[in-house]
Amino acid sequence: QQQVKQSPQSLIVQKGGISIINCAYENTAFDYFPWYQQFPGKGPALLIAIRPDVSEKKEGRFTISFNKSAKQFSLHIMDSQPGDSATYFCAATTRQLTFGSGTQLTVLP
Amino acid sequence: DAGVTQSPTHLIKTRGQHVTLRCSPISGHKSVSWYQQVLGQGPQFIFQYYEKEERGRGNFPDRFSARQFPNYSSELNVNALLLGDSALYLCASSLTVTMNTEAFFGQGTRLTVV
Repeated sequence: QQQVKQSPQSLIVQKGGISIINCAYENTAFDYFPWYQQFPGKGPALLIAIRPDVSEKKEGRFTISFNKSAKQFSLHIMDSQPGDSATYFCAATTRQLTFGSGTQLTVLP
Repeated sequence: DAGVTQSPTHLIKTRGQHVTLRCSPISGHKSVSWYQQVLGQGPQFIFQYYEKEERGRGNFPDRFSARQFPNYSSELNVNALLLGDSALYLCASSLTVTMNTEAFFGQGTRLTVV
């Protein structure tokens, strides 16, 4: 089944805190797992991505943790800032992107 | 370099009408994909075109069609519009057909069907 489940639906954190968003997938044929950030009125923008042969990838304040055996992956945003307030989507792909349902992140100043 | 450009940005149509949405990919990108994003949900795959050929189709009715031109730009057509077609339509371009490299999205066309 081509499905990616994402949680939580919404998340509120204080400035400087850690934001954690989780995703789970079923299709073992997925070979690329990107995270997208979307601001209101804009298209999604790639934030960070990982391939299934890597367990962790870090870019600045953003880290993806990947657990192939559990078919789960997560996004950690360290030192969260108000400017990080947006909707975050996990996705998985073979030929096309299959998106999770999104997490609306609010970072309080 | 210009990113992915979509036109128009906003559109209001009446039920039963037809609509054409346009997308210009990033220069050098030969793959264009279309996604529908209903408010509060993640984007849903509609079509992928690569080198002017359809390479994938999502679970959408035959009222939805698309094509890619020799310059790799693309059109999405929707016939007999329904209220439920109201959504943000996103175009994404990428270098490869497999989408396992970075896909760049346009800012979308907001379609409202009344």
